[in-house]
Amino acid sequence: GEKVEQHESTLSVREGDSAVINCTYTDTASSYFPWYKQEAGKSLHFVIDIRSNVDRKQSQRLTVLLDKKAKRFSLHITATQPEDSAIYFCAASAGYNKLTFGKGTVLLVSP
Amino acid sequence: GPKVLQIPSHQIIDMGQMVTLNCDPVSNHLYFYWYKQILGQQMEFLVNFYNGKVMEKSKLFKDQFSVERPDGSYFTLKIQPTALEDSAVYFCASLPGPTNERLFFGHGTKLSVL
Repeated sequence: GEKVEQHESTLSVREGDSAVINCTYTDTASSYFPWYKQEAGKSLHFVIDIRSNVDRKQSQRLTVLLDKKAKRFSLHITATQPEDSAIYFCAASAGYNKLTFGKGTVLLVSP
Repeated sequence: GPKVLQIPSHQIIDMGQMVTLNCDPVSNHLYFYWYKQILGQQMEFLVNFYNGKVMEKSKLFKDQFSVERPDGSYFTLKIQPTALEDSAVYFCASLPGPTNERLFFGHGTKLSVL
């Protein structure tokens, strides 16, 4: 089955810097790649997603890049703010939202 | 925004007992999911459910597990009997329909089997 590896377990940046979280997947049939964020004491919350028919998607300060050849996708956050601090999960799915998650990256944005 | 509620937030039971985890999905949602996360590990898909039926389940969804949503009430995950390895946080999630893939998650129920 699908395996998703999230490369950074923790990431510390200064406020205003950029942060990049990288994930790789194994199943070539995966076509949908969402990112979720979990703040302390809260549930997972959808952040941004990308489908395999595009290789880039941007929403305000967030950009997702997808490299299907390398089976790699990444989340880029620009101009980070302390409220971006959370655990970020990448995931991959080939359908019916049977998502396979990465282990999560703890992002710490210090003022 | 829309919320998925999970009750209780923490359940402690003795091995061999039955436990039911309750999920109150977003009101107009039709697809329901359970995920399991053992401490320090990835969150893993257990099962999805639509129109009163299990659509797909993983190998983690053992014979001792069952799900139902009687009469549009709570979506439940029942484990009978429980085993030590069932200790984990169980997350419920829901979706409005097949064309929308953005899952709404609950806070999770931490299950401790002693």
